[in-house]
Amino acid sequence: GQQLNQSPQSMFIQEGEDVSMNCTSSSIFNTWLWYKQDPGEGPVLLIALYKAGELTSNGRLTAQFGITRKDSFLNISASIPSDVGIYFCAGSRNSGNTPLVFGKGTRLSVIA
Amino acid sequence: DVKVTQSSRYLVKRTGEKVFLECVQDMDHENMFWYRQDPGLGLRLIYFSYDVKMKEKGDIPEGYSVSREKKERFSLILESASTNQTSMYLCASSLSWGYTFGSGTRLTVV
Repeated sequence: GQQLNQSPQSMFIQEGEDVSMNCTSSSIFNTWLWYKQDPGEGPVLLIALYKAGELTSNGRLTAQFGITRKDSFLNISASIPSDVGIYFCAGSRNSGNTPLVFGKGTRLSVIA
Repeated sequence: DVKVTQSSRYLVKRTGEKVFLECVQDMDHENMFWYRQDPGLGLRLIYFSYDVKMKEKGDIPEGYSVSREKKERFSLILESASTNQTSMYLCASSLSWGYTFGSGTRLTVV
């Protein structure tokens, strides 16, 4: 099945640094989503994007829905230790009962 | 607070055993999903269901089956467990695209 191309695969950063990760696809999506998985837990929805070009913030997190509808990025500003986890992008075509397509995840480690 | 509950956090089973992983949601969601998560491979869809008694194959259904007799419960069955089915299994439910995940079951097959 299709998966989104998510990069980077992993990141090691210092506390206080900004982080950027992105997701690309060869096909169009109508909704882009970003999830975070804390160690030992299931993924939790962080941000949902509904319109091409849309820029949405949730605290220190900012995500954008690409103009072509084939990509999205997530930025985290001033990282803190609790940002550690795996971040997944996901795309929805909103067509009938088609499941979300997920990226392989970006594993973020924050060094205090 | 909405919840998806997976019956076990950790499970150890022997090769050849029949294994049942249970998932229950309390949100009256139509849609339920089973994923497995392996390092470097992300979330891979095994089976999903959009209604009671209805099931659809995902990307990696081989070696698995599912059962959905009631709206709130979606069971994943490993007919004859093998060591390559050692993994983290995640259940999710949704009304549309906003999935709610359970905490996962880490299954080890020895």
